[in-house]
Amino acid sequence: EAGVTQFPSHSVIEKGQTVTLRCDPISGHDNLYWYRRVMGKEIKFLLHFVKESKQDESGMPNNRFLAERTGGTYSTLKVQPAELEDSGVYFCASSQERRRTRPTEAFFGQGTRLTVV
Amino acid sequence: LAKTTQPISMDSYEGQEVNITCSHNNIATNDYITWYQQFPSQGPRFIIQGYKTKVTNEVASLFIPADRKSSTLSLPRVSLSDTAVYYCLVGDNDDYKLSFGAGTTVTVRA
Repeated sequence: EAGVTQFPSHSVIEKGQTVTLRCDPISGHDNLYWYRRVMGKEIKFLLHFVKESKQDESGMPNNRFLAERTGGTYSTLKVQPAELEDSGVYFCASSQERRRTRPTEAFFGQGTRLTVV
Repeated sequence: LAKTTQPISMDSYEGQEVNITCSHNNIATNDYITWYQQFPSQGPRFIIQGYKTKVTNEVASLFIPADRKSSTLSLPRVSLSDTAVYYCLVGDNDDYKLSFGAGTTVTVRA
């Protein structure tokens, strides 16, 4: 079974440009999450999809970030226009439906390293 | 979400057992303890989860005392490939926002 895949693995763009990151979750996983780690900081939650619906986007830093999940399959995270402080590693994760008692295991992709110069 | 405290780093040698203790004094009744492992240039990977007493799988063991205010992840006979960051997370089935903290960087030397 394929894991969570992210594309590209690395991206270097200039300040002011636009970048789109893609995440393909594990087939059948309705829950999809975006996280990011900026330099020297901890991994932080950005947002959560259930199928195509945004359940929680409280972690999105500002309106330069737009996440979509059309059709409830893959997701994209667009940064427009990119700023220097957006540099970091962006992780996508997916999980099965919520369990009755114990937390659900999240499966992470390898991340996209974004560098804004 | 219950706050967790774990050591920033630990060094070990191949073949040794590594024990990482995580403190979570404010753990709630419905909270589980979950550990993730992250290798360089990869995303975090779930390794073990428990509620109380002891849980063991092919990767690690998790020891949870009766008061559940701490837990210990045990990695038996580590190898160089176990060098990674290990995160202790505490939460219930509604806590979909994982809070990773700084984790414990385990470095295994030959």
